Amino acid sequence: AQSVSQHNHHVILSEAASLELGCNYSYGGTVNLFWYVQYPGQHLQLLLKYFSGDPLVKGIKGFEAEFIKSKFSFNLRKPSVQWSDTAEYFCAVAGNMLTFGGGTRLMVKP
Amino acid sequence: DAGITQSPRHKVTETGTPVTLRCHQTENHRYMYWYRQDPGHGLRLIHYSYGVKDTDKGEVSDGYSVSRSKTEDFLLTLESATSSQTSVYFCAISRLAGEVGNEQFFGPGTRLTVL
Repeated sequence: AQSVSQHNHHVILSEAASLELGCNYSYGGTVNLFWYVQYPGQHLQLLLKYFSGDPLVKGIKGFEAEFIKSKFSFNLRKPSVQWSDTAEYFCAVAGNMLTFGGGTRLMVKP
Repeated sequence: DAGITQSPRHKVTETGTPVTLRCHQTENHRYMYWYRQDPGHGLRLIHYSYGVKDTDKGEVSDGYSVSRSKTEDFLLTLESATSSQTSVYFCAISRLAGEVGNEQFFGPGTRLTVL
């Protein structure tokens, strides 16, 4: 069975601070990895995805994520967060089905 | 945004009553999914469909049934709602299945409260 762990449940940052959200997964086969974002009151939107190739993936709004196969990790990063990044972030793994982590709620203080 | 609508968007019901949630897509995607979102659990798959009349169970299917009589519509039914089914329900669609890395597009969600 596949599973996804997001270790940071709540993160509070000031604007311009750097962000890194952890995501670890377990799955025995080839995986595809995703980060979704959910702004307050809205549905999930895709931030970025990894299928193959360059393990450093760039997404929308300045986000990037690095796939480290040896660590089963796919951490999300942003060099400088903005107040508008306040949202909940979900890591997801597509093995035989799409499995989501529990989410990380990010609050950015202006 | 992908053409996905959900109805109703909000519903309050009482324990023991049947409830049906509807997901409608205009993208002609083959795969459709129902998830529930609860704090600390992320999204958990309830049921999914891989074609008209073809459905299968997900991780948390107990107490739920689904039907898909047309490509564009995927219905989720709570036969006898319980308070533990209070949640936000999201429908999603994808052109291909998860194992080939295709992304899923999500609807706006339905907030269901069971009193």
